[in-house]
Amino acid sequence: GAVVSQHPSWVICKSGTSVKIECRSLDFQATTMFWYRQFPKQSLMLMATSNEGSKATYEQGVEKDKFLINHASLTLSTLTVTSAHPEDSSFYICSAREGLVSYEQYFGPGTRLTVT
Amino acid sequence: AQSVTQLGSHVSVSEGALVLLRCNYSSSVPPYLFWYVQYPNQGLQLLLKYTTGATLVKGINGFEAEFKKSETSFHLTKPSAHMSDAAEYFCAVSLSGGYNKLIFGAGTRLAVHP
Repeated sequence: GAVVSQHPSWVICKSGTSVKIECRSLDFQATTMFWYRQFPKQSLMLMATSNEGSKATYEQGVEKDKFLINHASLTLSTLTVTSAHPEDSSFYICSAREGLVSYEQYFGPGTRLTVT
Repeated sequence: AQSVTQLGSHVSVSEGALVLLRCNYSSSVPPYLFWYVQYPNQGLQLLLKYTTGATLVKGINGFEAEFKKSETSFHLTKPSAHMSDAAEYFCAVSLSGGYNKLIFGAGTRLAVHP
């Protein structure tokens, strides 16, 4: 149980285009989902927290107009990187939590984004 | 504010040797503590967690960690390393109640050599 999937697993896009990454909880309802960014050989940096049906809460320094997060259902959250640039190339990982008082986050396998 | 410090960005051990990965935390309230493992190009897998109760917690793959409040530490150990343990390990902390965000340490890359 507690499986989180991400799609696509890797994507290459051209500079200036937008790309959408999906995060799905397959066997539970995710009240809260988190989006992280990980640079090579570095730790995970939380980008934003999203609760189903609410606007995402972005961490300081994360451009909300560039990284659009939608959490429209209890099993799906999307991250859209708008007008992507090479510096947006990174590994993006989502996690999901069941319930508002649950502490455990279940992580997706990650999406490798390369912007050329 | 909470923070996590992992001492040693790289640790190398021989197969069969003891694994010790160090984690110290800073928190103004009782923390929830986690260890995750990440294999190349994959997401994170929970190894073990401490919330309340017994301070020595056992996780998957033979790993265990001990919460020491007086030392603000949560070091990860395994008695005998296996080649398959080679990976990146992250220590993380969240406020008790746990529904707050996770704060990750910088990570420790474990290498296991024959």
